[in-house]
Amino acid sequence: GEDVEQSLFLSVREGDSSVINCTYTDSSSTYLYWYKQEPGAGLQLLTYIFSNMDMKQDQRLTVLLNKKDKHLSLRIADTQTGDSAIYFCAESTPNTGNQFYFGTGTSLTVIP
Amino acid sequence: DTAVSQTPKYLVTQMGNDKSIKCEQNLGHDTMYWYKQDSKKFLKIMFSYNNKELIINETVPNRFSPKSPDKAHLNLHINSLELGDSAVYFCASSHGSWEETQYFGPGTRLLVL
Repeated sequence: GEDVEQSLFLSVREGDSSVINCTYTDSSSTYLYWYKQEPGAGLQLLTYIFSNMDMKQDQRLTVLLNKKDKHLSLRIADTQTGDSAIYFCAESTPNTGNQFYFGTGTSLTVIP
Repeated sequence: DTAVSQTPKYLVTQMGNDKSIKCEQNLGHDTMYWYKQDSKKFLKIMFSYNNKELIINETVPNRFSPKSPDKAHLNLHINSLELGDSAVYFCASSHGSWEETQYFGPGTRLLVL
């Protein structure tokens, strides 16, 4: 299967920017997703990007895609305590059919 | 008007019991999925159903059996529960193609004692 990697933990101070990183293995056309999981809750879709794009911005969220390095990042500007959660990146490609491959999740802690 | 719903939200049971988790989606999607999230928060796909046909089974023990009575429902039945089955189980749905976003339910937290 595909390999999607993330660092496990990130701590930032309230008001700072957070950058959550993800690497993937499939080099074919790909959709890459960011999901947020708050404590005790399900997965909430935050944003997604197709591999023909380099960047996508949505309010405080900026997704950057480096296709050469197969590296995806999610930047959260002005991080708030409500942003504390686990963030999962996921990949889907023609090679994987319907299947999403999820990263291990990055636990973001925002320090007041 | 919940998009993907699961019942129950919590399930505590004894080893050896048989239990079912139900999932329903009202998004008109034709593909539904079951994922297992372990204690380390790793998320792995278990099953996918497209138009009531199983299309993925990721080496899940045959104690787990998905059942889809119709396109909007995908239930998960687990026989002879084991301690290692304790996890959070998520249902998801999509239009089925690899380009389509998957929408997740709130999860069912299963604890096997």
